[in-house]
Amino acid sequence: QSVLTQPPSVSGAPGQRVTISCIGSSSNIGAGYDVHWYQQVPGTAPKLLIYDNTNRPSGVPDRFSGSKSATSASLAITGLQPEDEADYYCQSYDISLSGVLFGGGTTLTVL
Amino acid sequence: QVQLQESGPGLVKPSETLSLTCTVSGGSMNDYFWSWIRQPPGKGLEWIGYMYYSGSTNYNPSLKSRVTISIDTSKKQFSLKMSSVTAADTALYYCARYSSDYNGYFDHWGQGFLVTVSS
Repeated sequence: QSVLTQPPSVSGAPGQRVTISCIGSSSNIGAGYDVHWYQQVPGTAPKLLIYDNTNRPSGVPDRFSGSKSATSASLAITGLQPEDEADYYCQSYDISLSGVLFGGGTTLTVL
Repeated sequence: QVQLQESGPGLVKPSETLSLTCTVSGGSMNDYFWSWIRQPPGKGLEWIGYMYYSGSTNYNPSLKSRVTISIDTSKKQFSLKMSSVTAADTALYYCARYSSDYNGYFDHWGQGFLVTVSS
């Protein structure tokens, strides 16, 4: 099935740790394709946050980390800050779709 | 630093063709894939398609029959044409650089361009 499933929303207090899951299938993450994560602050374009499952582009704080296993992936954010409030999207490649797949997105609220 | 900028008509009539151009600055188009992604108001991201600088393409199957992406490396531009648009095609359209075929990521994005389909 060509879907990446994310929780619609997560929340946490400043300083806390939150995780966002991205559940795929054997046609995408389970097929060995990498997972990438984007942060979209309201009113702005998405920004690459994590690439190739675990790598951070230059300038992304190490509070953000990614992991991947079997048919799923996770984004972890530690030491939550108010500016982390945004929408987060996972992305991979799907062999059944023969194309790029985005997760539905997760809205992070910093309480 | 690579920068991308979308441009085109912001209002398109139903059944007509949507046309957008993305201008790339600050880097070469060679060796990369150039993509279009859209986001309906209040919704998530949808990949439309991408083209390699040398001309090969890959489109979202759900849009393939209506979409054409072209590239002009001499002008450092690539374009999107989407035919027979309906209100469902109203969205923020982003152009982006895609790092590699099959397993890539979008490392540079334009600011987005709102296209409204309405009579």
